[in-house]
Amino acid sequence: DAEITQSPRHKITETGRQVTLACHQTWNHNNMFWYRQDLGHGLRLIHYSYGVQDTNKGEVSDGYSVSRSNTEDLPLTLESAASSQTSVYFCASSESRVQDTEAFFGQGTRLTVV
Amino acid sequence: AQSVTQLGSHVSVSEGALVLLRCNYSSSVPPYLFWYVQYPNQGLQLLLKYTSAATLVKGINGFEAEFKKSETSFHLTKPSAHMSDAAEYFCAVAGSARQLTFGSGTQLTVLP
Repeated sequence: DAEITQSPRHKITETGRQVTLACHQTWNHNNMFWYRQDLGHGLRLIHYSYGVQDTNKGEVSDGYSVSRSNTEDLPLTLESAASSQTSVYFCASSESRVQDTEAFFGQGTRLTVV
Repeated sequence: AQSVTQLGSHVSVSEGALVLLRCNYSSSVPPYLFWYVQYPNQGLQLLLKYTSAATLVKGINGFEAEFKKSETSFHLTKPSAHMSDAAEYFCAVAGSARQLTFGSGTQLTVLP
């Protein structure tokens, strides 16, 4: 079955370190998204991509970067981790160019910055 | 900019009682609206979506939602709550870039 997987599921890192969270989907979806989930804020968009070599900033992109070298993967990099980036991170993908398309979510990565 | 507001961060109902989770949206264009559910330690799963085909939308697990343009609302209901419905529920609106803008979520507790 097609799926979307995130790794690691849990990570603890130190302030100032570079961290990369992986996202891999096997649906061959063009659209991929990264969100962070924080209490009282729901999910907020960090970055998104419509296809290979395409990346765009979302609502809360400062301190994060992404790259899209193939259809299946959209890794999220925290250039210099800060305590404010402690959160649960979700990757999602969707297929089509229309706004009513369903997004499929990974299981999430819980990141703690100490 | 589009946005959604969920009224009530926590809702408790008894098993068998009506579930009502509130969502109001703000959009300058006809919106595409979604309800997602998140079970503990899992990702989000689509419950239902509104795409203007019908104002009453039926979803999975007995949930439905009614789009009311005059009230800018898209409330989620289920006639009879089950213990397995305990989860966090998110209302979301789709933007022109196909990204979702989420509400802050409502934690549903079902009491025995």
